[in-house]
Amino acid sequence: EVQLLESGGGLVQPGGSLRLSCAASGFTFSSYAMSWVRQAPGQGLEWVSTIFGGGRSTYYADSVKGRLTISRDNSKNTLFLQMNTLRAEDTAVYYCAKGPGENKLRPNFDSWGQGTLVTVSS
Amino acid sequence: QSALIQPPSASGSPGQSVTISCTGTSSDVGGYDFVSWYKQHPGKAPKLMIYEVTKRPSGVPDRFSGSKSGNTASLTVSGLQAEDEADYYCTSYVGSNKVLFGGGTKLTVL
Repeated sequence: EVQLLESGGGLVQPGGSLRLSCAASGFTFSSYAMSWVRQAPGQGLEWVSTIFGGGRSTYYADSVKGRLTISRDNSKNTLFLQMNTLRAEDTAVYYCAKGPGENKLRPNFDSWGQGTLVTVSS
Repeated sequence: QSALIQPPSASGSPGQSVTISCTGTSSDVGGYDFVSWYKQHPGKAPKLMIYEVTKRPSGVPDRFSGSKSGNTASLTVSGLQAEDEADYYCTSYVGSNKVLFGGGTKLTVL
């Protein structure tokens, strides 16, 4: 059974930093692209970033490029999101999502974690 | 780039069919066969219902179907059931290594 467990969310001041983690199990982690998708309170879903299985190819939404960095440690089956220079509009539940099983940027996210809440406020 | 356009709400009675649209442009929905649909209950993680316009993941009932015509993709739910009541989001690859979601549609089963 695929399991994705996010952690690292919390309250941070504007301009601050936070690092999210997503521990994966139940599948061959290095064979799948992984993504972060966020949802602001009461709002819709927003794609944030994707990283291919090998970890060398990364892609970002314009709204986060230069401030958020996606990475992965395939030896520990863990996905990360380093969040710097945070703004109030980054407040959201952050989900990690699995897929697709190929090195292509496609919105085929077949498994999701339960999400971790990031609140940016002074 | 603006979100893909979805109606804010849709509704139908049990047993009926309802179709939710997702409108983009020739540069996104119309240009690629990489449209997916997600179902989300309040406070829960989204669930993949349709990918690559028409494909259903294992375990998704065949009451759910996807299609596309021009710049508009559609999700049809046939034989509506109470548990289908949820928020539904479309998403598409939009070129330039980007993915875009629609604004979401709240489906109510009357």
